[in-house]
Amino acid sequence: AQKVTQTQTSISVMEKTTVTMDCVYETQDSSYFLFWYKQTASGEIVFLIRQDSYKKENATVGHYSLNFQKPKSSIGLIITATQIEDSAVYFCAMREGGSALGRLHFGAGTQLIVIP
Amino acid sequence: EAAVTQSPRNKVTVTGGNVTLSCRQTNSHNYMYWYRQDTGHGLRLIHYSYGAGNLQIGDVPDGYKATRTTQEDFFLLLELASPSQTSLYFCASSDRGGQDTQYFGPGTRLLVL
Repeated sequence: AQKVTQTQTSISVMEKTTVTMDCVYETQDSSYFLFWYKQTASGEIVFLIRQDSYKKENATVGHYSLNFQKPKSSIGLIITATQIEDSAVYFCAMREGGSALGRLHFGAGTQLIVIP
Repeated sequence: EAAVTQSPRNKVTVTGGNVTLSCRQTNSHNYMYWYRQDTGHGLRLIHYSYGAGNLQIGDVPDGYKATRTTQEDFFLLLELASPSQTSLYFCASSDRGGQDTQYFGPGTRLLVL
């Protein structure tokens, strides 16, 4: 069975600081893909960043980066120099490789509030 | 970036009503997905498809049917809507399924009275 868990329901941070959002996952597959998505206040879901399980180097895109700890089945999202517009709900998701037809398993989400 | 559109954006129906949610993607993606989003559950997969005429069952399929008529169009059907199906529905698409990122539509908010 696959499962994605985000234990932080809500996080508040001051603007321009760094925040880490946690995510742990469960899978029996040796190959899998991990994603972070952002859902804005308008409801739009936007892809942010991904990590392929076979890659050792942590992915980085703009001011988003990942802390991939494979032995702990953990994929944290790090946002540096947070901005007001980073306030949103962030979802972690996992997809098995192979013949899983791309189905994603999502965590329940973490709401980030950036305080000016 | 993929263009995924959904219609209607908002829908109100009564218990027992018949509802069709539409999704269209214009980037020739092979894979399409229907999710529902509810507080505390994140997004849950209802049905998905890897091409015209193909259908796969997701994690929460009860009460839903789906049909993929073309590569571009994927429909979600609620033939006897119930209040438990009140939710926010998202469609998504991706090119190569397991390899590629999914891109989401803007969502349809459904209220079943």
